[in-house]
Amino acid sequence: GAGVSQSPSNKVTEKGKDVELRCDPISGHTALYWYRQRLGQGLEFLIYFQGNSAPDKSGLPSDRFSAERTGESVSTLTIQRTQQEDSAVYLCASSSQGINNEQFFGPGTRLTVL
Amino acid sequence: GENVEQHPSTLSVQEGDSAVIKCTYSDSASNYFPWYKQELGKRPQLIIDIRSNVGEKKDQRIAVTLNKTAKHFSLHITETQPEDSAVYFCAASKRGNKLVFGAGTILRVKS
Repeated sequence: GAGVSQSPSNKVTEKGKDVELRCDPISGHTALYWYRQRLGQGLEFLIYFQGNSAPDKSGLPSDRFSAERTGESVSTLTIQRTQQEDSAVYLCASSSQGINNEQFFGPGTRLTVL
Repeated sequence: GENVEQHPSTLSVQEGDSAVIKCTYSDSASNYFPWYKQELGKRPQLIIDIRSNVGEKKDQRIAVTLNKTAKHFSLHITETQPEDSAVYFCAASKRGNKLVFGAGTILRVKS
């Protein structure tokens, strides 16, 4: 079946612009995660959605970052007034039930802020 | 909250040798411990996981061991091959909580 998809695959933007990244999880997966991965670095947790519960936003690095999810489907990660340090690959992952189950990752969006 | 530490950060082994990566976790309530492999330019993928009700799990050349008392778990890869070269991430979670990842280990298998 279809896996997790993300769009765009690459995004180049100018400093100060807003960007919106999209994630389509696997159908039926109630949990959705966003991570940031800088070049050669590990997975930095950003935000976690589980069903209709309030999202865990504890990883968002600043108030320029926000994310929404419509029900148990698509999610968008928005970065306002982008800075050069926001350049990274943004990975989305989904899992069923959200509790101790395998996370399936999307291919990521490579964001470059000039 | 949970904190996961992973060692070593880089590991080089000769083809055919074994590789061991170790992780420690802080929350004694954690009960799920997966390992992910990320090849260059690709997304992380689950290679093996273990739950707290078992101490060891094997899948062909890879195995994971868990010591709940000491709060550490390890990935063992035997008979390493060049295609095992990648970044490996451990992670831990407890029921109802998000997965927390280690910082990753770059494994290089030299042929």
